[in-house]
Amino acid sequence: AQSVAQPEDQVNVAEGNPLTVKCTYSVSGNPYLFWYVQYPNRGLQFLLKYITGDNLVKGSYGFEAEFNKSQTSFHLKKPSALVSDSALYFCAVRDSNNAGNMLTFGGGTRLMVKP
Amino acid sequence: NAGVTQTPKFQVLKTGQSMTLQCAQDMNHEYMSWYRQDPGMGLRLIHYSVGAGITDQGEVPNGYNVSRSTTEDFPLRLLSAAPSQTSVYFCASSYSTAPSTDTQYFGPGTRLTVL
Repeated sequence: AQSVAQPEDQVNVAEGNPLTVKCTYSVSGNPYLFWYVQYPNRGLQFLLKYITGDNLVKGSYGFEAEFNKSQTSFHLKKPSALVSDSALYFCAVRDSNNAGNMLTFGGGTRLMVKP
Repeated sequence: NAGVTQTPKFQVLKTGQSMTLQCAQDMNHEYMSWYRQDPGMGLRLIHYSVGAGITDQGEVPNGYNVSRSTTEDFPLRLLSAAPSQTSVYFCASSYSTAPSTDTQYFGPGTRLTVL
C-alpha cells in the first residue's frame, strides 16, 4: 500500500523568507513523488516530481523539493516566498510496484505568505 | 490545446437523482482518472482508465460508474445521488503510466451539492 502524510494543515511565512512544506511517504517499492498546487476555485497544477537521480528536484515558480530516502520525506522548499505563493499544496506518491498510475494524495497544506 | 475540460462547473442535485459529469481532453492521453476532493482529505481516486475500453476502480468507487468509449472522453455517472457525494470532482489525464510521462494534468473541477 502507498500513503503520504502532510503533517501541517497550514504554514505561515513572511514574504521574502524561505518556506518549507513537509511531506512524508510510505511505499513498498520505489517512490515516484509529486507536488501540486491549487489556487482558489481552480484545479491542481503540477509543480515538480521525483522519479530517480538527483535528490534535489527543481520545478515551476522557483520551487524545489528534496528527496530523502532514509527519512522517507519529500519536502517542498522555496528560498524566498511571495504573497502570490499563497495556495493549497498537495504532495502525492505513486509506488513503482503500482502497475497503473494511481496517485495517493496527502491532505494538503495551506501556505499563507504575509506581506 | 484546451487541456482537460469539465462540465458543468456547478451542479445541485436532489437525493436520488442521477447525472453525468463530463470530462474531455485533447492531448491524446491514454490515462484518465476521476478524483473527489473533500476538506482535509486531499484527493481520492474514484475510477480510472488506462485506455479506450478499459476502466478500473480506485479507492472510493461506490455509487459511481464510468465508461471510456473514446480516448478523449471519460464521463462519470452518479447513479442515485446521496448527500455523501457532495464534493468537488476533478478529472485528470496523463500521456501514459510510464514514470517519464505519467504526470497527471487536472481539469478545473465540478462542484456538486446533493440536497
